[in-house]
Amino acid sequence: AQTVTQSQPEMSVQEAETVTLSCTYDTSESNYYLFWYKQPPSRQMILVIRQEAYKQQNATENRFSVNFQKAAKSFSLKISDSQLGDTAMYFCAFMKAGGTSYGKLTFGQGTILTVHP
Amino acid sequence: GAVVSQHPSWVICKSGTSVKIECRSLDFQATTMFWYRQFPKQSLMLMATSNEGSKATYEQGVEKDKFLINHASLTLSTLTVTSAHPEDSSFYICSARSRQGMAEAFFGQGTRLTVV
Repeated sequence: AQTVTQSQPEMSVQEAETVTLSCTYDTSESNYYLFWYKQPPSRQMILVIRQEAYKQQNATENRFSVNFQKAAKSFSLKISDSQLGDTAMYFCAFMKAGGTSYGKLTFGQGTILTVHP
Repeated sequence: GAVVSQHPSWVICKSGTSVKIECRSLDFQATTMFWYRQFPKQSLMLMATSNEGSKATYEQGVEKDKFLINHASLTLSTLTVTSAHPEDSSFYICSARSRQGMAEAFFGQGTRLTVV
């Protein structure tokens, strides 16, 4: 079984500043995917970024980037130029690759991010 | 993009009654759907995996007789909370996996259930 740990229950950042959310995971799998999801007050789950474990290059999506350290089993999310709309709960998630595992996610505890004007 | 619609968005029911929540994939066929439960400011916990045409697989600790799951077609899975009690009040979210088996989960909007 895999576990995902987010050790920061809450974070805050000033608008336009940069913030990094931490995530570590534990697994014995060699093929997997890692995700960051955003859950705003509407509670709709929104995919922020995805990382394939076999790729060494860190994923980037506009203002969002990750620092994927496979050996350390670490997967942090950096948000640059923070905006008020980034205020949400952020979840780190793990998905085992292959067959019937696709789609099944294991989530971390979540980090509530507040962006202040 | 892949759209998953969950209905209703919120429901209030009396203790002892049953409530059905629907999860539909609108523009793709979902061989597998997943049901999660989320308490306020907490994480999503997987309850069960729903496979089209077969019995659902429940996670340890989830009462299969209380949370009935049916996946009768490639676009619809339902979760029925039977004999609901106040402790069943929670936010329930479904997600779906496409038939192509992409490494991506598509989420419904969620259902807020309040049992009074």
